[in-house]
Amino acid sequence: SAVISQKPSRDICQRGTSLTIQCQVDSQVTMMFWYRQQPGQSLTLIATANQGSEATYESGFVIDKFPISRPNLTFSTLTVSNMSPEDSSIYLCSVVAVRETQYFGPGTRLLVL
Amino acid sequence: AQKITQTQPGMFVQEKEAVTLDCTYDTSDPSYGLFWYKQPSSGEMIFLIYQGSYDQQNATEGRYSLNFQKARKSANLVISASQLGDSAMYFCAMIPGDSNYQLIWGAGTKLIIKP
Repeated sequence: SAVISQKPSRDICQRGTSLTIQCQVDSQVTMMFWYRQQPGQSLTLIATANQGSEATYESGFVIDKFPISRPNLTFSTLTVSNMSPEDSSIYLCSVVAVRETQYFGPGTRLLVL
Repeated sequence: AQKITQTQPGMFVQEKEAVTLDCTYDTSDPSYGLFWYKQPSSGEMIFLIYQGSYDQQNATEGRYSLNFQKARKSANLVISASQLGDSAMYFCAMIPGDSNYQLIWGAGTKLIIKP
């Protein structure tokens, strides 16, 4: 399995501001994903972070709101832009390691006031 | 339609008892993968166990086993000798054969272990 870290672990932000979340993996991985988990819900895939090219976004998510960078095979960032209280969620990154299994980072718990 | 159904929103179980968490799935793909994840209140999503659709035997990982009944399209998680630390949300998820690793998630079951 892969060891994944995320920063920050939690944050409280004011509406209209932006937050960048970092995801670091201890080994090179091809597939890396960003998820959102709204309160009381299961996970929703935001995008696939592609190394060296633009991220692939799922329906309902756009690059202007959730810009993603993937400069190498061990690191990615997700920015939540122009935040509103509806963006209050847990944001998780994941990687595919063994036998199509996704391993998740510890998550970033975001509260927007 | 591809779907995961977890019919138990919440469960209370006495410590040291075995627990079965239900999961049924719907897919027309002959090849798929099934997963269980645990999410404690800290928010981390912890991988527990994986079952491939062509695996001949039920998957086991320590106290976790997956009761895979392909004809019934069920993939129930069994936790033996439950512990207080097992209290968490549990999610069943599926990767259909053509998904490019996009997981389909169930709604989750909140498990509370009573001392």
